[in-house]
Amino acid sequence: EIVMTQSPATLSVSPGERATLSCRASQSVSNNLAWYQQKPGQAPRLLIYDASTRATGIPARFSGSGSGTEFTLTISSLQSEDFAVYYCQQYNNWPLTFGGGTKVEIK
Amino acid sequence: EVQLLESGGGLVQPGGSLRLSCAASGFTFSTYAMTWVRQAPGKGLEWVSSISGGASTTYYADSLKGRFTISRDNSKNTLYLQMNSLRAEDTAVYYCAKHTGGYSRAFDIWGQGTMVTVSS
Repeated sequence: EIVMTQSPATLSVSPGERATLSCRASQSVSNNLAWYQQKPGQAPRLLIYDASTRATGIPARFSGSGSGTEFTLTISSLQSEDFAVYYCQQYNNWPLTFGGGTKVEIK
Repeated sequence: EVQLLESGGGLVQPGGSLRLSCAASGFTFSTYAMTWVRQAPGKGLEWVSSISGGASTTYYADSLKGRFTISRDNSKNTLYLQMNSLRAEDTAVYYCAKHTGGYSRAFDIWGQGTMVTVSS
């Protein structure tokens, strides 16, 4: 099983600032990686797939990069609606696995 | 509008069974693989099971040890998860999710979730 490790667990950021979230895979997943955003009481929402492709309707301030074992989600200028938990997920191998999440909170 | 609507959750005693349903609308259901993901209270996301569009291929998390069965009825645009021998650790919100299509196994549409509580 591929283990996905996200860091940091919590990220404190001021509105308007840049946020950088990391996701590391225990073995290469090529570019088969997705990022999701989840707000309290809501289902996750797909942000990025194939490591760097924004999903439909996702603002350009969200960008993904990386391949192999190291991946990054960048939010260029945090808006109030961006404070949430973010998960990465690999789909290169079965079983599909998620990272433990990074909570982005208001500083 | 593309939509997924889960149902069937509730309170069940340890050792009991439950069948979840996920009604799909707004897209050609049979064309897409589908997945169940769960989230225990206060915890992260856990992949449970996936099924191909034609239902010929299924995948399960090892931790389920044969207790869960995924299926679909493409004539009814509905996905199912049969859960047997339920344990306290199966308590979670269960989401159904649609794959993006092609090779990608990312999930672009999610249901609102249905809560399953296993307790005596």
